[in-house]
Order: sequence, then structure tokens, then C-alpha cells
Amino acid sequence: DAKTTQPNSMESNEEEPVHLPCNHSTISGTDYIHWYRQLPSQGPEYVIHGLTSNVNNRMASLAIAEDRKSSTLILHRATLRDAAVYYCILRNTTSGTYKYIFGTGTRLKVLA
Amino acid sequence: EAQVTQNPRYLITVTGKKLTVTCSQNMNHEYMSWYRQDPGLGLRQIYYSMNVEVTDKGDVPEGYKVSRKEKRNFPLILESPSPNQTSLYFCASSSGGVGVKNIQYFGAGTRLSVL
Repeated sequence: DAKTTQPNSMESNEEEPVHLPCNHSTISGTDYIHWYRQLPSQGPEYVIHGLTSNVNNRMASLAIAEDRKSSTLILHRATLRDAAVYYCILRNTTSGTYKYIFGTGTRLKVLA
Repeated sequence: EAQVTQNPRYLITVTGKKLTVTCSQNMNHEYMSWYRQDPGLGLRQIYYSMNVEVTDKGDVPEGYKVSRKEKRNFPLILESPSPNQTSLYFCASSSGGVGVKNIQYFGAGTRLSVL
């Protein structure tokens, strides 16, 4: 199974953009890149996903490198409510398996 | 409202006493999964189910059982709990497939302590 590597923690100031990196050098052509986040004392929640092209939604943007070996989750203006653990995972859609490997994620601290 | 409901939210038990954590979803999702979360280890998948009567092992299945007799329910069974199963457990469901259908929805979690 392809794995992802993320920094353990990051800090950001409130109202500033945040770029959360993820390396996935063994990604296959059919792996989707998914991001989830886990707010304190809650279950994980979906943030965004993509395959090859950059993606935007109301929560964040996802920038995917041309070789797809890395991606970056972008929060355009961090708020205190964005303090959470962010997980980057790969989702293979053709192997018939529904295994998910979450890893330990990046703990984002937002400073007021 | 779309929901994944786990019960109980908190459970303290003793070694060897069989227990079941229930999980129910109201979104008619085919896919359901159980995870455990431990400090420093992140979320690890225990078992998953791709549809009724179809289940498979995740990364840490030892000591757990699951069943999927109905589409909406996916209980996690600990036949003989041990202290190393003390953890925070999450159930999740999704439509499966590709694209937006593959978004997982998570329950609020069950905190289990085995003494």
C-alpha cells in the first residue's frame, strides 16, 4: 500500500494562509489523494480530494504536484477553528480494496 | 440529517468480558469501517465491509470481530477484551466507488477502557 509522509506539527497565525505538505512518492496512477481533519474530541471529517488537477472547495484548496509525488493542502485564511490534526491519505479505487492508511497526520496550531 | 451513530460513547469494562460497540448509518452507504486511535499511532483500520455479508481485515484486526447482516449496521465485537484494546474507536461509512461518493463520514467515537 502506498503511504504518505507529513510533518508532525505546524504553526500558523490567525488570518494567514497555511500550506500543509504531504509526500507520497510511491503513489500509483489510480490513487486519489484525500485530506481529512480531526478537530479536538471529534471524529475525522472530510476536507478535500483530488487525482491530478488542483481542486478548490469552500474549506480549502488542494495543490497536486505535476509528478503527483506530493501535494499541499492550502487553508487560505486560518482561523482558530482550523486547529486540528490534518491527515493526507491515498485511496486506490481500482484494486477492489477499501483499506485506508491514515498515519499520524500534521497537528496544526493556530495562534491568535 | 446524515449520521453515523456509535454506542456507547464511553465504556469501562474488565478483561475477558465480551462487549459489542454498535455502529449505524442512515445514508444507505455500502461501505463501513472501524478504526482505533491511539496516541502517537494515529488512526488504524481494524475491519471494513464493502457490503452486506462482505467484510475484510484492515491493519489491526487481531482480537476483534465484525458482522454486516444489514446495510445500516456494522457492530464491532470484542470477544475477550484485553487492556491493550483500551483505545478510542471510530466507525465510518461511505458510498464507496470513486470521486465524491468516496467521502467517509465518521461517528463521534467510543472511548473504551479495559481494566
